Amino acid sequence: EVHLVQSGAEVKKPGATVKISCKVSGYTFINYYMNWVRQAPGKGLEWMGRIDPENGETQYSEKFQARVTITADTSKDTAYLEVSSLRSEDTAVHYCTTDYGSGSYYVYWGQGTLVTVSS
Amino acid sequence: EIVLTQSPATLSLSPGERATLSCRASQSLGSYLAWYQQKPGQAPRLLIYDASSRATGIPARFSGSGSGTDFTLTISSLEPEDFAIYYCQQRSPLFTFGPGTKVDIK
Repeated sequence: EVHLVQSGAEVKKPGATVKISCKVSGYTFINYYMNWVRQAPGKGLEWMGRIDPENGETQYSEKFQARVTITADTSKDTAYLEVSSLRSEDTAVHYCTTDYGSGSYYVYWGQGTLVTVSS
Repeated sequence: EIVLTQSPATLSLSPGERATLSCRASQSLGSYLAWYQQKPGQAPRLLIYDASSRATGIPARFSGSGSGTDFTLTISSLEPEDFAIYYCQQRSPLFTFGPGTKVDIK
């Protein structure tokens, strides 16, 4: 059974950096892209970027290119999302999601991690 | 970046009625479009991929159609559990989501 388990909620001050993890099980981590999607309260879904865990190659949405870093530790079957220079507008639930099982679409999702940015 | 537009923003219907949701792309997508359902406090659920293929376990009342720039998600007869927000998503060359259509109870 496939599981994506994310780290817990974070509260950060403006200007800080947050790093969220997503540990997978039930499939071969290195064979499928890991994506990150965020959702601000009451708002829609935003694709942030993705990583190919096999070679570490990343692609980012233009909106997040400057402040987001996605990494993967293949020894731990875990992907990470780091967001720097946080501002209040970054308050959101962040989801990891893999394209395992559906070509390029997202069947399996993490449970979401709420990042709250507040002074 | 390809922009997706969804209409209507809100659709108010009664159980048993037919729902028709639209997604329009700023450039041709071929058939590379997906639909997701999201309920409060939950991660999205993949319903339709490649415009018209139902994901595993998705009831037959959900169907997708379209190609190029115009796509439709149809729910043939709304069940109580179908009242939710629906997003379209494209994957070429990078991913974007539409703003969503909320299907609520009339």
